[in-house]
Order: sequence, then C-alpha cells, then structure tokens
Amino acid sequence: EVQLVESGGGLVQPGRSMKLSCAASGFTFNNYDMAWVCQAPKKGLEWVATISYDGSSTYYRDSVKGRFTISRDNAKSTLYLQMDSLRSEDTATYYCARSELIAGWDYWGQGVMVTVSS
Amino acid sequence: DIQMTQSPSFLSASVGERVTLSCKASQNINKYLDWYQQKLGEAPKLLIYNTNNLHTGIPSRFSGSGSGTDYTLTISSLQPEDVATYFCLQRNSWPDTFGAGTKLELK
Repeated sequence: EVQLVESGGGLVQPGRSMKLSCAASGFTFNNYDMAWVCQAPKKGLEWVATISYDGSSTYYRDSVKGRFTISRDNAKSTLYLQMDSLRSEDTATYYCARSELIAGWDYWGQGVMVTVSS
Repeated sequence: DIQMTQSPSFLSASVGERVTLSCKASQNINKYLDWYQQKLGEAPKLLIYNTNNLHTGIPSRFSGSGSGTDYTLTISSLQPEDVATYFCLQRNSWPDTFGAGTKLELK
C-alpha cells in the first residue's frame, strides 16, 4: 500500500525557516518524481515544487523560488521541503504527492499545517 | 499559466441523482485533465486521470469526458459518501494548475 506521511509543520514567525519531511513507503521511491502542493485555509490547491526521481531536476512556483528548496533522500525514501524567509501568505496545509508518468499525482499524504504568524 | 474554471462552485443534490460537474481551461489542454475528491480534513484523492481513466479502486459511478477546453465529471447515482469538494487539475502545460473546486452536498 502506498503511504506518504508528512511531518515537521507548526507555528513559525515570519522570516524564519521550517523544514517539512515526507516519508514514503509501499513503492519504489526512487522511480517516481515527487511534488509538494499547498492549500491555504479555505482556498484551492496550488502546486509548490517538483523534484525528479533522481533529484537532478527541480521546479518551483514563482512565489517560492529562491526561498524554498525541494530535495530527496532516496536511501531513506524521504522527500523534503526547506522553507526559508517564510511569509504570512505561506500559511497553508502542505501535501506531498507522488507523480506517476501516466496517471499524474496519484497518491497524496495527509498533509501538514504550516502557520506563519508573529 | 493556464486558468481552470470550475462550475458550479456549490451543488446540492439528492441521493441517487445524476450529478455533472464542469471544468473549463483557458486554452486547449489536450485531455490532460484529472479530477480529485477531497473530503473534509482529508487529502485529495485521485478519481480520474487524462479525462476519462478511472484510478484504481474508484467506483464505476464516477466517469469523465471532454476535450479541448471543456471537461466534465459525472456521478451517475450520487451516494452519501460522495459529499466532498471536487477539484480539476490540468497537466498539459507547466505549471500544473487546479480549479477552485465544486463543493457537493446532499439535498
């Protein structure tokens, strides 16, 4: 069974940093691109960043470029999102998702809440 | 970025009713359109990918159709467990973009 479990969220002050993790199991992690998607309170979903299966390529939405870093440790089957210089508008639930070649983002984690506030 | 417009924003329907949700793209997305179901407090769940392909384990009462810029999700006979918000997602052009969602409730 495919499982994705996020951790590392919480309350953080503006300008500070936070690192999210996503532990994967039930599939061969290093065969899949992975992504982070966010959902602000009572808002829709927004793609944040994607990393290729081997970590060689990364892509970011403009609003997080230069502040967020997506990475992965294939030996640990874990995906990360390092978030620096956090802003109030980064407040959201962050989901990790598996990217399948044909079916797209086919499995998601349960999400982790990040609140940026003083 | 491609804009995805879902309609209606809110829908109330009865158990057993046929329900149709719409998603319109700002340009041709070549059938790279997926549908997700999100229940309150849960992660989004993939229902349909590439317009009309049912994801593993999804009941056959869900179906999708469309082409070009216009796409539809149909629930043939609404069940109580289908109460959720439904999002569409285009994967034709980077960045992938979601619609704002249709909230489906029971009448």
